[in-house]
Amino acid sequence: AQKVTQAQTEISVVEKEDVTLDCVYETRDTTYYLFWYKQPPSGELVFLIRRNSFDEQNEISGRYSWNFQKSTSSFNFTITASQVVDSAVYFCALSSMDSSYKLIFGSGTRLLVRP
Amino acid sequence: NAGVMQNPRHLVRRRGQEARLRCSPMKGHSHVYWYRQLPEEGLKFMVYLQKENIIDESGMPKERFSAEFPKEGPSILRIQQVVRGDSAAYFCASSPRQVAYDGYEQYFGPGTRLTVT
Repeated sequence: AQKVTQAQTEISVVEKEDVTLDCVYETRDTTYYLFWYKQPPSGELVFLIRRNSFDEQNEISGRYSWNFQKSTSSFNFTITASQVVDSAVYFCALSSMDSSYKLIFGSGTRLLVRP
Repeated sequence: NAGVMQNPRHLVRRRGQEARLRCSPMKGHSHVYWYRQLPEEGLKFMVYLQKENIIDESGMPKERFSAEFPKEGPSILRIQQVVRGDSAAYFCASSPRQVAYDGYEQYFGPGTRLTVT
């Protein structure tokens, strides 16, 4: 069975602090994809990143970085020098051959960045 | 290239009425997925459709809910005799192929927020 756990329900930081959002996943498949989506207060879902299971290279995009570790089944997301506009709910998601087309979402982490 | 379109963005229905939610996938996308987000929760898969076919409706409640994706026109998610527990955000996503193959991400629409009074 596939499962995504985001243990942090809510995180509050002060602007310019770094913050890491945790994501732990479960799957028996060897081929799978991991995703992060951002849901700002306006409600839409914004795609941030996709990573396949064969690519463990960490990725950096501006102030965003992702740490994929198969050994611990984790795909953590770090925001460096956070800004108020980063305030949102962030979802980690998984798809695999077993789920074939469904995205399995975690419950989300609400990030509040205070000025 | 227009994104995934959903309408209406907000829908208010009284208990017992019908709700129809529409989704137009991105151009060139023939795979549509519906997800439901209950308040303060993550998204849960409901149904996966290709043109004129329901591929998987395992996440859809057995009664009152139905979905279609006709040859022409948008995909429709229909909820009959709505109840207060149906109040949620309903998101549609589309992809050019099944997500697992080549890892195509699903592109999400802005969602329809259904409120049942």
